[in-house]
Amino acid sequence: DADVTQTPRNRITKTGKRIMLECSQTKGHDRMYWYRQDPGLGLRLIYYSFDVKDINKGEISDGYSVSRQAQAKFSLSLESAIPNQTALYFCATSDFRDTEAFFGQGTRLTVV
Amino acid sequence: GNSVTQMEGPVTLSEEAFLTINCTYTATGYPSLFWYVQYPGEGLQLLLKATKADDKGSNKGFEATYRKETTSFHLEKGSVQVSDSAVYFCALRLTNQGGKLIFGQGTELSVKP
Repeated sequence: DADVTQTPRNRITKTGKRIMLECSQTKGHDRMYWYRQDPGLGLRLIYYSFDVKDINKGEISDGYSVSRQAQAKFSLSLESAIPNQTALYFCATSDFRDTEAFFGQGTRLTVV
Repeated sequence: GNSVTQMEGPVTLSEEAFLTINCTYTATGYPSLFWYVQYPGEGLQLLLKATKADDKGSNKGFEATYRKETTSFHLEKGSVQVSDSAVYFCALRLTNQGGKLIFGQGTELSVKP
């Protein structure tokens, strides 16, 4: 089983719909992150959480919200999806030493 | 601001050719530097890293040296294989910023037999 699991792997949704992307990890890490990947732009940080009670905005948080339900779970929500949120979304974790980030396999989201 | 710039892809090479993917950065302070690799349909995996100037990271035949004077962290491999075909990301992490990574735009490598 993967250390960082994202669901769903693929999703097509309509403009204006609310959608949640889920991430769970078995690494036992406190720190979790959501990134989005766009062609030619690399990965950009949306939100991050250093523990269950600590949530922080990243570089591109507008239009997104997150929930840290437990140490192992970190969900990303699009309250009202729009087409320019079509992208590949990655969840990642790291321990307090930040020696390495571990990534999920990604969720490909298409907003039509 | 803090940023990472990589050479544009795609890069297409024949098997056993020499690979260089250029990466330069702009950062306040002294960042740690990373190369991540993304194989088709998968998430990113750490390939190698360097945490201070003049450190050399190496893994699977790939190498990169942290050059503070040129703010660079170029990725090299002496003889690429078809299995090295992937997208390569250079990234930095600032001191005291937790595990947040700032990525370059990625460079796609295609190795032909």
